[in-house]
Amino acid sequence: SAVISQKPSRDICQRGTSLTIQCQVDSQVTMMFWYRQQPGQSLTLIATANQGSEATYESGFVIDKFPISRPNLTFSTLTVSNMSPEDSSIYLCSVEDSAVYYGYTFGSGTRLTVV
Amino acid sequence: AQRVTQPEKLLSVFKGAPVELKCNYSYSGSPELFWYVQYSRQRLQLLLRHISRESIKGFTADLNKGETSFHLKKPFAQEEDSAMYYCAPLGAGGYQKVTFGTGTKLQVIP
Repeated sequence: SAVISQKPSRDICQRGTSLTIQCQVDSQVTMMFWYRQQPGQSLTLIATANQGSEATYESGFVIDKFPISRPNLTFSTLTVSNMSPEDSSIYLCSVEDSAVYYGYTFGSGTRLTVV
Repeated sequence: AQRVTQPEKLLSVFKGAPVELKCNYSYSGSPELFWYVQYSRQRLQLLLRHISRESIKGFTADLNKGETSFHLKKPFAQEEDSAMYYCAPLGAGGYQKVTFGTGTKLQVIP
């Protein structure tokens, strides 16, 4: 299975600032997915990142707020911009696991607290 | 629109009792269905997928197209089964993406 390294694992940030979350995969993958898990809630897909093209955002998420980079097939970043306390969540990246038919592997998550 | 319903936020059972975590889906076409689990302080991980008809850690899940359900079952709960469980159908269409249910926290009481 693919192994994902996600960092930072947690951060406390001031409102109005931005945080960039990184995900590194130990193998080349076509698509990487970014999720948000708000306190007590399930996972919500933010966007899908393909290498060499702009990310595809889900309803309710926009590029200005959550810019994503995908410079190569093993790496992606998600930036949470102009943060407010409502952005306090766990953010996770995910990739399709080639070893498991349509199964997905997840990063360990970034717990973001905005104060 | 794709919709997944896990009606129970919390399910408490005694050790050794049977477990059934419910999942209903609203879907067009034939979904690929998965269960994911998150143990305390661990990352979310795939538990099982319906297509493989496998049993993982004693858990099984049967796809019932008539009832549009994909309940997760285990005949005898163990304390180490305590975790958060998410039902997750894989989307059909342009590209694959996973829609997660709201999750059920399973608490196995010793």
